Amino acid sequence: NAGVTQTPKFQVLKTGQSMTLQCAQDMNHEYMSWYRQDPGMGLRLIHYSVGAGITDQGEVPNGYNVSRSTTEDFPLRLLSAAPSQTSVYFCASSSLLLLAGEFEQFFGPGTRLTVL
Amino acid sequence: AQSVTQLGSHVSVSEGALVLLRCNYSSSVPPYLFWYVQYPNQGLQLLLKYTSAATLVKGINGFEAEFKKSETSFHLTKPSAHMSDAAEYFCAVSEGYNTDKLIFGTGTRLQVFP
Repeated sequence: NAGVTQTPKFQVLKTGQSMTLQCAQDMNHEYMSWYRQDPGMGLRLIHYSVGAGITDQGEVPNGYNVSRSTTEDFPLRLLSAAPSQTSVYFCASSSLLLLAGEFEQFFGPGTRLTVL
Repeated sequence: AQSVTQLGSHVSVSEGALVLLRCNYSSSVPPYLFWYVQYPNQGLQLLLKYTSAATLVKGINGFEAEFKKSETSFHLTKPSAHMSDAAEYFCAVSEGYNTDKLIFGTGTRLQVFP
């Protein structure tokens, strides 16, 4: 298993440009999510999905769009990048086994985004 | 709503010394509590998790954490620090029983000096 993969690893954008951060998992997990990590603020949830065709907003959704057309993929779109979106972005997935006690959320390696 | 507080954004210890990283959750008992570790330029790796089976939880790399309901705490400890323990550590709680959503603390960066 490759686990959770993210591309690209690094990206520099100019203000106003758009781009898509890719996330894929090969563990057949129902739950996928996007976090951003900023110094001193921990990880904050942007959007999440509990299955194909179902997405919902997290704590900091403004400026970001997501879709979930397949179980494996959960791309994050920035329609018009702003300097405030400079951050490290992590994708995560888990298997909705919360009640079974087997819960573990797996994280990708991250995408470091700079918006100039 | 659940919340997590990690006291001390930076902790420094000498190699061989006790490591204590503090985590407090909000007043309602969350279903699960977690500690994750992040090494430089890497993603997050699960250290250990509390699932109500036992209050003292042992994790990887010699770390353990104790759930104390009376103190709303889930502090992370390791008896003897190693240089390789230098990393950032995050405490997290599950938001509820019906969701995989996690709420993270702001993190504690551990430095280990020789």
